[in-house]
Amino acid sequence: EPEVTQTPSHQVTQMGQEVILRCVPISNHLYFYWYRQILGQKVEFLVSFYNNEISEKSEIFDDQFSVERPDGSNFTLKIRSTKLEDSAMYFCASSEWGGGAIFFGPGTRLTVL
Amino acid sequence: AQTVTQSQPEMSVQEAETVTLSCTYDTSESDYYLFWYKQPPSRQMILVIRQEAYKQQNATENRFSVNFQKAAKSFSLKISDSQLGDAAMYFCAYRSAVGNQFYFGTGTSLTVIP
Repeated sequence: EPEVTQTPSHQVTQMGQEVILRCVPISNHLYFYWYRQILGQKVEFLVSFYNNEISEKSEIFDDQFSVERPDGSNFTLKIRSTKLEDSAMYFCASSEWGGGAIFFGPGTRLTVL
Repeated sequence: AQTVTQSQPEMSVQEAETVTLSCTYDTSESDYYLFWYKQPPSRQMILVIRQEAYKQQNATENRFSVNFQKAAKSFSLKISDSQLGDAAMYFCAYRSAVGNQFYFGTGTSLTVIP
């Protein structure tokens, strides 16, 4: 069964450093997403991406964040200058169409020291 | 923004018994989708079941079924014949028919007692 994959599973970084989280969505899916979950809290929407551009973003997704689809398979989230409060589990997800269920990857646990 | 409320932070059920998890949501839209996701200790988010708002029939997926009450804006999940592997955090989620964003509730932690 096709699945969303994410690398790395765990990333530790120093405050102020740049990190890139990588995702490979399900191959025939057209919509891609990043969500995050701070430990013990609910899952929060960051951004959605369709047709090679951002279609929707939340207040969390400020200028420190960017997304890119550098080739036909990868989808990345970049945090330019990490802050302590960016520590969270980051989930990539994809869906086949706009109203479809989204399928999550296993997540990348980001720890900012 | 739409809000999703799960009023039960924790629930427990005996193995083989039935449990119902509650979810309510607030929206002014008439067309939308509702979902239940399961998050086991591995923290992977796994789709359990999905309901389209325009469908009156409640969705069913094996031991999992929903009670969708559109007028009451209620979307509860019933787990029948509970198994140890059902132990997880369960999140209710709302998605507009026109937007891409999912709105999640705060989750219900389900414990299955052997």
